[in-house]
Amino acid sequence: QQQVKQSPQSLIVQKGGIPIINCAYENTAFDYFPWYQQFPGKGPALLIAIRPDVSEKKEGRFTISFNKSAKQFSLHIMDSQPGDSATYFCAAGHGDAGNMLTFGGGTRLMVKP
Amino acid sequence: DAEITQSPRHKITETGRQVTLACHQTWNHNNMFWYRQDLGHGLRLIHYSYGVQDTNKGEVSDGYSVSRSNTEDLPLTLESAASSQTSVYFCASSEGSAGSYEQYFGPGTRLTVT
Repeated sequence: QQQVKQSPQSLIVQKGGIPIINCAYENTAFDYFPWYQQFPGKGPALLIAIRPDVSEKKEGRFTISFNKSAKQFSLHIMDSQPGDSATYFCAAGHGDAGNMLTFGGGTRLMVKP
Repeated sequence: DAEITQSPRHKITETGRQVTLACHQTWNHNNMFWYRQDLGHGLRLIHYSYGVQDTNKGEVSDGYSVSRSNTEDLPLTLESAASSQTSVYFCASSEGSAGSYEQYFGPGTRLTVT
C-alpha cells in the first residue's frame, strides 16, 4: 500500500516563527508533491506543489524543500502569522495511478500572536 | 464561477439506515473523488471516478457505493450506516488530463451515525 507519512501531528509556534512540517514517502514512482491547507469548516485547498526535478520551490512565505534521495519533502512557512493557523496535508501522486493523490495524516498548526 | 458543492452539510442518522451524500461540480472535470477525514488518519480515499459510468474502489470502500450517471454528480451512498462511518466526508474533482493532479475540494459533509 502506498503511504505518505507526515509529522508532526500538531505544532504550535509564535508569530514570526518558522514552522516546518515533514513528509516521507515510499513509492519512487511518485512525481508530484503538493501541500494542501485546510481551515476549520472548509475543504482542503492547494497551497503549493513541487515536481521531483527541483529541490526547492517558493511561493510567497511558503517553501517546499524536496530531497529525492531521502524520499522526503517538507513545508516551511516563513514569518508565520496567526492567519496561517490551519491543518496542512502533504500528498503525493503519479500519473500511472490515474493522477490520484495519497495524503499524509495532516498537521494542525497554531500560530500564537 | 465554477465550484463544487456538497449536501447536506450536516447529517445525523441512525445505525442501519441508508444515507446518500450529494456532490455536484461545475468545473466540467472528468475525475471525481470521495474522501473521509478522521483525526489521525488524514484524508482516506473511499471511491473515485474517471468519467461517466466509471467507478473504482479506494482504500476504505467497504460499506460505501457510488454511481456516475453524468459529469457533474457523484453521489456517495452508505448502504447500512454504521457508527464507524461517523466522519467528515469530502468530495473533490480534478481535470483528468495527463499531469493534471490538482484536486478541488467541496466544503464537506459532517455525518454522525447514532
